[in-house]
Amino acid sequence: DTAVSQTPKYLVTQMGNDKSIKCEQNLGHDTMYWYKQDSKKFLKIMFSYNNKELIINETVPNRFSPKSPDKAHLNLHINSLELGDSAVYFCASSQDWLRQGGTDTQYFGPGTRLTVL
Amino acid sequence: GENVEQHPSTLSVQEGDSAVIKCTYSDSASNYFPWYKQELGKGPQLIIDIRSNVGEKKDQRIAVTLNKTAKHFSLHITETQPEDSAVYFCAASSEYGNKLVFGAGTILRVKS
Repeated sequence: DTAVSQTPKYLVTQMGNDKSIKCEQNLGHDTMYWYKQDSKKFLKIMFSYNNKELIINETVPNRFSPKSPDKAHLNLHINSLELGDSAVYFCASSQDWLRQGGTDTQYFGPGTRLTVL
Repeated sequence: GENVEQHPSTLSVQEGDSAVIKCTYSDSASNYFPWYKQELGKGPQLIIDIRSNVGEKKDQRIAVTLNKTAKHFSLHITETQPEDSAVYFCAASSEYGNKLVFGAGTILRVKS
């Protein structure tokens, strides 16, 4: 059983296109995240949703729009793709937003490698 | 905001030796410190974590130590095996506790 799943695993597209990445978790968690991992492997949070509400938006260009139809899903839509958007995008989830004053344990999906040509 | 530095960036050890990866953080309010292992083509996998009310935690060959005064924490892997080869990331919770800030990663190579 896959805990956090993402589709597609690979996405190759032209500059200027619009694309979406889907994420689903079957852990019953309340909080979901999107991370970007660049070519140097640096991981940085983009968004976080708790119970379908946006709680973190890390100064990401507004071409990126997350959408959470329910607690188990957090999709990422990207408009007008640019070369610099090429990266691996990871979805993650945690039971809750905060625990004992700190963030709860996060579990990551397998990633989506986006290549913009 | 929180800043996490991780060293070394690459580490090569012989099978059976120990490996130590160190991280420092800037925000004294951080209280959650996980370590993730990322294998090629896969997502980061949590291997161990520690919260600030604990100084050390062990799980078989893996241990994490935390020094809150010095604001650093370390991952210790004993009796390394070739399957330990991967990229390891440390992270610390942010000042508001609602997100993780990651270190830049350490490529660990275990030579057999």
